[in-house]
Amino acid sequence: DQQVKQNSPSLSVQEGRISILNCDYTNSMFDYFLWYKKYPAEGPTFLISISSIKDKNEDGRFTVFLNKSAKHLSLHIVPSQPGDSAVYFCAATSGTYKYIFGTGTRLKVLA
Amino acid sequence: NAGVTQTPKFRILKIGQSMTLQCTQDMNHNYMYWYRQDPGMGLKLIYYSVGAGITDKGEVPNGYNVSRSTTEDFPLRLELAAPSQTSVYFCASSYSVGGNSPLHFGNGTRLTVT
Repeated sequence: DQQVKQNSPSLSVQEGRISILNCDYTNSMFDYFLWYKKYPAEGPTFLISISSIKDKNEDGRFTVFLNKSAKHLSLHIVPSQPGDSAVYFCAATSGTYKYIFGTGTRLKVLA
Repeated sequence: NAGVTQTPKFRILKIGQSMTLQCTQDMNHNYMYWYRQDPGMGLKLIYYSVGAGITDKGEVPNGYNVSRSTTEDFPLRLELAAPSQTSVYFCASSYSVGGNSPLHFGNGTRLTVT
């Protein structure tokens, strides 16, 4: 039972354009959603999060949108830069120690 | 600050051998976790700890053991290694739980069991 799904294994975007990474979830008890970024041979690093009581959170070039009725969230990166090339994981939690991770989307930003 | 430090970075084990993956954090975080990541999969929780002396099982604990004698250290023990334990292992810590307290990860240990 995959409660958090990232259906696109990979995405390529031209430098300067918008990258949109998507994530779907099934458990309506999740109260926080997080995005992590992972470079090869490194651990995931926290990027941005959103509470379930909000529908948008912005931090510089990164914006996360939450659509609770569709159980869908997306991460927008504008403008995309070559250094953004990494694997992005979506994660969800319901206020406990338990974080459920998606399988990741590999973003490649083309110079 | 070093954050979360894991050793070793790589290890090859023969079936039936045992080893300990080391994890230490210098952020004075109460919560520590061990995850494994298999190719094409998300991170799966093996064990977690809410403080020194307290540990509990996650989603995939079979074949592993942990201890938490200090706030800083959270070693993961593999007994009788099996090929199914070939994976990348990540240790993480957090100040608290929930979305307001994101996980801080180490750089991982890539383990191959042959």
